Amino acid sequence: AQKITQTQPGMFVQEKEAVTLDCTYDTSDQSYGLFWYKQPSSGEMIFLIYQGSYDEQNATEGRYSLNFQKARKSANLVISASQLGDSAMYFCAMRASTGSARQLTFGSGTQLTVLP
Amino acid sequence: ETGVTQTPRHLVMGMTNKKSLKCEQHLGHNAMYWYKQSAKKPLELMFVYSLEERVENNSVPSRFSPECPNSSHLFLHLHTLQPEDSALYLCASSQFRQGAPYEQYFGPGTRLTVT
Repeated sequence: AQKITQTQPGMFVQEKEAVTLDCTYDTSDQSYGLFWYKQPSSGEMIFLIYQGSYDEQNATEGRYSLNFQKARKSANLVISASQLGDSAMYFCAMRASTGSARQLTFGSGTQLTVLP
Repeated sequence: ETGVTQTPRHLVMGMTNKKSLKCEQHLGHNAMYWYKQSAKKPLELMFVYSLEERVENNSVPSRFSPECPNSSHLFLHLHTLQPEDSALYLCASSQFRQGAPYEQYFGPGTRLTVT
């Protein structure tokens, strides 16, 4: 079974500062994918970034980067130059190669608040 | 319309009512999903539909019944719900390709309140 752990229920960051949101995962699969989603108060889940288990470089998408440490089974999201609009719930998720290939397992989320 | 749309956005229903949630994806994807998001809990996958399979979370009660008439539309039929079924119901779609991430794209959700 796959498991995603997000240990930070809430985080605060000053506008324009960088912030790291933690995510650790547990799987026995060799091939898997890791995702980060953002959920504003409106409810919609917005896909941010993806990291494959065989990708040698950390994924980056604009101000988002994924700090992937395979041996530690961690996939932390780094948001640089935080903006007020970044205030939202952030979810880490994993897709494993076993079972239904289309299923994602989500963590419990981190509520990020950007302070002006 | 673009992306994934869901109707209604808000729904209040009594425990004896029957209602349906609708989801439509305009992305040409070949898989669709229903998730339940309750307060203080991780997203819970309820159902997956794709060309090759239907996957059902065995913990989902039979009072939730999915229907997928084609690859673009997904319904969730509700009947005799309980107050604990009050939650945000999210629909998602993805395009399955071998070797690709097939990230899921979500709709805005239906906020369901059972009275």
